Amino acid sequence: GDSVTQMEGPVTLSEEAFLTINCTYTATGYPSLFWYVQYPGEGLQLLLKATKADDKGSNKGFEATYRKETTSFHLEKGSVQVSDSAVYFCALSQGTNAGKSTFGDGTTLTVKP
Amino acid sequence: NAGVTQTPKFRVLKTGQSMTLLCAQDMNHEYMYWYRQDPGMGLRLIHYSVGEGTTAKGEVPDGYNVSRLKKQNFLLGLESAAPSQTSVYFCASRHNANTGELFFGEGSRLTVL
Repeated sequence: GDSVTQMEGPVTLSEEAFLTINCTYTATGYPSLFWYVQYPGEGLQLLLKATKADDKGSNKGFEATYRKETTSFHLEKGSVQVSDSAVYFCALSQGTNAGKSTFGDGTTLTVKP
Repeated sequence: NAGVTQTPKFRVLKTGQSMTLLCAQDMNHEYMYWYRQDPGMGLRLIHYSVGEGTTAKGEVPDGYNVSRLKKQNFLLGLESAAPSQTSVYFCASRHNANTGELFFGEGSRLTVL
């Protein structure tokens, strides 16, 4: 079955540091890939997505590129802020599977001033 | 915009009691899902629905039942609560099975004593 493996956390960075959270996946077919973010006490919300190979998703300074050859979708940000502290989830979904999504375990990011 | 609304947000049950979690979405989405979130385990799919009147089992369906009598509502029931069902429950919906993002509710925190 489909699976998503995320870089283990927690990750602690200083403000303005560079962020990378690794995500690799295993799937048959051609899934869409997503990064969701969860702030304390809230539900998950979409951060960015990519629906086909070589697509780059971007939002709020975060970027991720759909790499089919390495089955990866790593999340990056050039300069993190304290407000970026949250839990980040990598996920995939396939239309052939009733849109069911497979999630990674989540990576907790803490940014210190 | 309400989006996805879950009720109740908090509940404490005794072992053996029953309860129903209600999820309502106002985006006319066909697909709806119930997940549970436990520390270090990401999100696990309990049940899902691909349209009004349909339901299907997810990854961890035991001990739960669901109904989708109206398109906008997806109910999750616990007939006889167990301490292992202590968790945070999230409802989500999406319009498109493959490329569409998931829209999440704020979560319902359930404690079973």
